[in-house]
Amino acid sequence: EVQLVESGGGLVQPGRSLKLSCAASGFTFSNYGMAWVRQAPTKGLEWVATISYDGSSTYYRDSVKGRFTISRDNAKSTLYLQMDSLRSEDTATYYCAREDTTVPYFDYWGQGVMVTVSS
Amino acid sequence: DTVLTQSPALAVSPGERVTISCRASESVSTLMHWYQQKPGQQPTLLIYLASNLESGVPARFSGSGSGTDFTLTIDPVEADDTATYYCQQSWNDPWTFGGGTKLELK
Repeated sequence: EVQLVESGGGLVQPGRSLKLSCAASGFTFSNYGMAWVRQAPTKGLEWVATISYDGSSTYYRDSVKGRFTISRDNAKSTLYLQMDSLRSEDTATYYCAREDTTVPYFDYWGQGVMVTVSS
Repeated sequence: DTVLTQSPALAVSPGERVTISCRASESVSTLMHWYQQKPGQQPTLLIYLASNLESGVPARFSGSGSGTDFTLTIDPVEADDTATYYCQQSWNDPWTFGGGTKLELK
């Protein structure tokens, strides 16, 4: 059974940093691209970043470029999102999601972790 | 960015047929996917590549469309289908989601 379990969320002040983790199990992690998708309270879904199966390629939405870094450790089957210079508009539930091997849609999602940016 | 427009909400009775639309601001070929999100839960994949049913999803769900106009159909609707439905395109960078259609059962 595919499982994605996020951790690392919490309350953080504007301008500070936070690192999210996503532990994967039930599939060969190193074969799949992975992504972070977020959802602000009572709002819709927003793609944040994607990393290729081997970590060689990364992609970001413009609003987080230069502030967020997606990475992975295939030996540990773990995905990460380092979030720096956080802003109030980054407040959201962050979901880890697996991307299909051939087409970028999200076939499995974690339960999500809440990040609140507030003073 | 490619904007995906969905109707905000629909209300239907169990047993009826419902269609949820998604219109893209530019062509996305057939790289359109649909997700269901129940309250307090993560999204789950229903349909990929416009019309392909994800494994384990009931055959009551179907998708169609290409280019800029897409439809998710549920027939017949069941009480458990109460949820918000999102479309998502992966043809144009960045990947974008529609605003969601909240489906309520009468």
